[in-house]
This record gives sequence, C-alpha cells and structure tokens, in this order.
Amino acid sequence: QSALTQPASVSGSPGQSITISCTGTSSDVGSYNSISWYQHHPGKAPKLMIYEVSKRPSGVSNRFSGSKSGNTASLTISGLQAEDEADYYCCSYGGYRTFYVFGTGTKVTVL
Amino acid sequence: EVQLVQSGAEVKKPGESLKISCEGSGYSFTTYWIVWVRQMPGRGPEWLGIIYPGDSETRYSPSFQGQVIISADKSISTAYLQWSSLKASDTAMYYCARVAAAATYYMDVWGKGTTVTVSS
Repeated sequence: QSALTQPASVSGSPGQSITISCTGTSSDVGSYNSISWYQHHPGKAPKLMIYEVSKRPSGVSNRFSGSKSGNTASLTISGLQAEDEADYYCCSYGGYRTFYVFGTGTKVTVL
Repeated sequence: EVQLVQSGAEVKKPGESLKISCEGSGYSFTTYWIVWVRQMPGRGPEWLGIIYPGDSETRYSPSFQGQVIISADKSISTAYLQWSSLKASDTAMYYCARVAAAATYYMDVWGKGTTVTVSS
C-alpha cells in the first residue's frame, strides 16, 4: 500500500487559513471514514488533532477542522498562529491487512 | 495522566539484536491496542504492527512481517519491538501509540519515540 500524498510544505501568515490535502485511493481514504490527523513538533510526541474525518479531541482548538471528499481528505487551520508551525500527518485505515496508511507529511510554516 | 514512555536511544551495529520498549501508565494497559510506527529520516510514518496486550494478539504490516517481532508483558504494562539482526536500513525513529478505543483506528496517545541508529 502506498503512502497517502500530502504537499511537502504549506505556509501562511498569522491569522490566515491554510488547507493541507491528503490524497489516497478508493482502498483507503475513499472507503473509510477513519481519517485522522497528527501534529508533530520535532522532539515531542505526535498529537492527535482530528479523528474520524472531522472530529476534534477535547482540548484541540476549534481552529482545526477536517473534511473528506472522495479519495482526498483535508485539514484546515484557520487563524494561523506561530504555535501551529509543525509537521502534520494524515492517516487512514486501509483495511484488515494494511490497517494503517500514513501520509507523506506536510511542514507548516508560519511566515 | 495517560502516557506512553519509550526506552532511550540505541546505537547498534549491523547484525546485532535489539528490543525497545513502550511502557503505558495512567490507564488499563490490557484493554487498548498498541501500534508501532517507524519514521525514517525525511519520510512519513509507516505502520509496523499492532498488539492487544490483553491477550497478545498481534498483526503485522505485510511490509514488516518477518522483519520485526512485537510483544507485550501485561504484568508490567509494557509493549516491545524487537529485531534479531539489525540492518543499516532499520535506522529510524520508532514510535508506539495507543489506539483510542475498540473499533476505532486512530491513536490518541503517543510516545516520544526511540531513535535507533544502525551503523558499522
């Protein structure tokens, strides 16, 4: 199973909105609503930001939102803040044998 | 506080064996699946396998079946990832993570990772 495709980098100014795409196939993203997004600051544990396409865990800012259309999932960060600068990874359930397929990762830079 | 604490960085030579650990605390370790994930430098994460500590049921990614062994000791709330003969290509960061709940497929708690360096 190939990795999900994400843009290598996305940038925005403070206060702006950015969207990170995560493109898979009909065998993973397109077939399941088990899409999750993780924020990773180097040296720290990854943090769950979105699960089941669009649900936010308790404690995660409502500036983070998720969606899915066909084989592509998206993470939108609105009101960009300096603390949002990190790597972001999507992940999809890929079926019984594959279980998890991760994205290639996107580095978010706050200008 | 729910947390997963991973063992420290390792530097090994090709052909050596290694076992790294992931200790859970603050929750019932036996009732949540634990996932192991590899992240090589500059690349996205890859799923290695998953274990249910309650009965040690284990499933492996087809890409890593036979390459690693995943186990757990529920008496000490610890999951393990081991290699019998390391290769330079095993150099990576390895994370353990807890699957949030039964019948879900997202990870709500992650360890900070264990760096494994394999070099002659």
